[in-house]
Amino acid sequence: DIQMTQSPSTLSASVGDRVTITCRASQSISSWLAWYQQKPGKAPNLLIYKASNLASGVPSRFSGSGSGTEFTLTISSLQPDDFATYYCQQYNTYWTFGQGTKVEIK
Amino acid sequence: EVQLLDSGGGLVQPGGSLRLSCAASGFTFSSYAMSWVRQAPGKGLEWVSSISNGGGNTYYADSVKGRFTISRDNSKNTVHLQMNSLRADDTAVYYCAKDRGDNLNWFFDLWGRGTLVTVSS
Repeated sequence: DIQMTQSPSTLSASVGDRVTITCRASQSISSWLAWYQQKPGKAPNLLIYKASNLASGVPSRFSGSGSGTEFTLTISSLQPDDFATYYCQQYNTYWTFGQGTKVEIK
Repeated sequence: EVQLLDSGGGLVQPGGSLRLSCAASGFTFSSYAMSWVRQAPGKGLEWVSSISNGGGNTYYADSVKGRFTISRDNSKNTVHLQMNSLRADDTAVYYCAKDRGDNLNWFFDLWGRGTLVTVSS
């Protein structure tokens, strides 16, 4: 099974900060990686697919990069609506999520 | 409007059964694979099961294999998850999700609101 490891688990930041979340796969997954945002009590929402493609309707301050085993999600200027938990997911071989990164207010 | 409406959750005793349903609207249901993803209270996301667009291929996480069965009815735009031999660790919010992509390289681009399954005596 492919394991996905996110870091950090929790991130404290301020509005306007540049934020980066890392996701590592236990083996190469090419670019078959997605990122999701989830707010408390709500369903996840797709942000990025195929490592770097922005999903429809997602603000351009979100970006993704990486391939193989190491990936990053970057929020260029954190907005109040961005405080949430973020999950990476590999879809190279079946489907596995990272454990999540909670972005909280500093 | 493009949406998924999942339902069927509730309280069930250990060893019991439950059938979840997901009604799709606003897109050509028969063109897309569908999946179920769950989230235990306070925990992360866990993929549970997927079914191809025609229903001929199904996939299960090891944690539910042999106990859960996914199915779909393309004439009614619905997907189901039959859950048998339920255990306490199956307690979670279950989300229906629409898949997008090719050749099993599917990600989830639309999610239902979730339905809570509680397994307890």
